[in-house]
Amino acid sequence: GAVVSQHPSRVICKSGTSVKIECRSLDFQATTMFWYRQFPKQSLMLMATSNEGSKATYEQGVEKDKFLINHASLTLSTLTVTSAHPEDSSFYICSAVWPGRGNTEAFFGQGTRLTVV
Amino acid sequence: QQQVKQSPQSLIVQKGGISIINCAYENTAFDYFPWYQQFPGKGPALLIAIRPDVSEKKEGRFTISFNKSAKQFSLHIMDSQPGDSATYFCAASLGNTGKLIFGQGTTLQVKP
Repeated sequence: GAVVSQHPSRVICKSGTSVKIECRSLDFQATTMFWYRQFPKQSLMLMATSNEGSKATYEQGVEKDKFLINHASLTLSTLTVTSAHPEDSSFYICSAVWPGRGNTEAFFGQGTRLTVV
Repeated sequence: QQQVKQSPQSLIVQKGGISIINCAYENTAFDYFPWYQQFPGKGPALLIAIRPDVSEKKEGRFTISFNKSAKQFSLHIMDSQPGDSATYFCAASLGNTGKLIFGQGTTLQVKP
């Protein structure tokens, strides 16, 4: 199956600093990637759609200035949490759409646990 | 109309039993319905998926049953094993986008 790698898997940062999370498709090119946020014992909430070479599309209620998304190549999308605060602490997960089988199957990274102290 | 409702929230099954998780959707334009398995601290992994033109799909011990008229679909895990203990999410997608709307999740515990 397609492999999506996310880095780092765990990060602790101080309040007010910025954190960058990387999402890479290792064995395929992905023109579209997605970023999700997951709180403990809850479902995945879509934050934004990342399109290679264009601006990200954010879901309603997601602050685009706080969650900066860059999809600079067909294998890499990054999520930067700017001026992080404790309420931004969460599990962030990316997915990449595998171009086979009609551009439908989404494969997920292993997630990044962000803790803001 | 974009919601996917999943039940039960939690499920306990004895080893060897059948685990059944149900999902319902409203938007009839959804055309792809995957199930994901997630272990604590990990990202979701695709288990099995179905499209509305098929009423059932089986892969190993996992079966999706799809009822288009009722706008419902379910996951059946046959011969459930302790290693199946995880959280399961149903999802729905519109068009060939990969953009997924997730159900609330079901925490499955399989007792030895």
